[in-house]
Amino acid sequence: DAGVIQSPRHEVTEMGQEVTLRCKPISGHDYLFWYRQTMMRGLELLIYFNNNVPIDDSGMPEDRFSAKMPNASFSTLKIQPSEPRDSAVYFCASSLTSSSTDTQYFGPGTRLTVL
Amino acid sequence: KQEVTQIPAALSVPEGENLVLNCSFTDSAIYNLQWFRQDPGKGLTSLLLIQSSQREQTSGRLNASLDKSSGRSTLYIAASQPGDSATYLCAVRGGSEKLVFGKGTKLTVNP
Repeated sequence: DAGVIQSPRHEVTEMGQEVTLRCKPISGHDYLFWYRQTMMRGLELLIYFNNNVPIDDSGMPEDRFSAKMPNASFSTLKIQPSEPRDSAVYFCASSLTSSSTDTQYFGPGTRLTVL
Repeated sequence: KQEVTQIPAALSVPEGENLVLNCSFTDSAIYNLQWFRQDPGKGLTSLLLIQSSQREQTSGRLNASLDKSSGRSTLYIAASQPGDSATYLCAVRGGSEKLVFGKGTKLTVNP
């Protein structure tokens, strides 16, 4: 398997623009997670899905952020409108089940810069 | 609310040295604890996963221990190599599928 795939790898945009980040999880994995990593706050969970259904979105910072998973092989994280404080690396991860022995597999991340 | 702390934030050692990275967490009711490695510009790679009922896990030159009652874990790296240079993150999982991460220890192994 190719692992978790994220696109784009880098995104530079201007404040106020809409940004869409994309993720393809590992085939057969039931869980998909979106994280944000910054120097100040470290790695934070934004939202996660089980079988395409959002389970916990308590980490989503505000209404400008939204995430969808229309099918088992694709998820998007959208920021509208974007702000400079949204600049961070956004990671997508997937796991097979919720078993205590299952780990999460991370994608390479999308580095977002909002000017 | 679970909080995970990693000390030190950065560590520089000469090649061949044995070293220990530390992780502490505030809520001992955990499901498992994991150590991840992150290389610059890359995602995270899982190194070791310790279930709550276990005390340690080993993989090659890596050994991770878990003391739930004291809220501590250590990652021991034997005979360090320059290729071990990376950021190491500790993450704990509570009752849900959510992982709470520490901010990591940036390790540099000098040839």
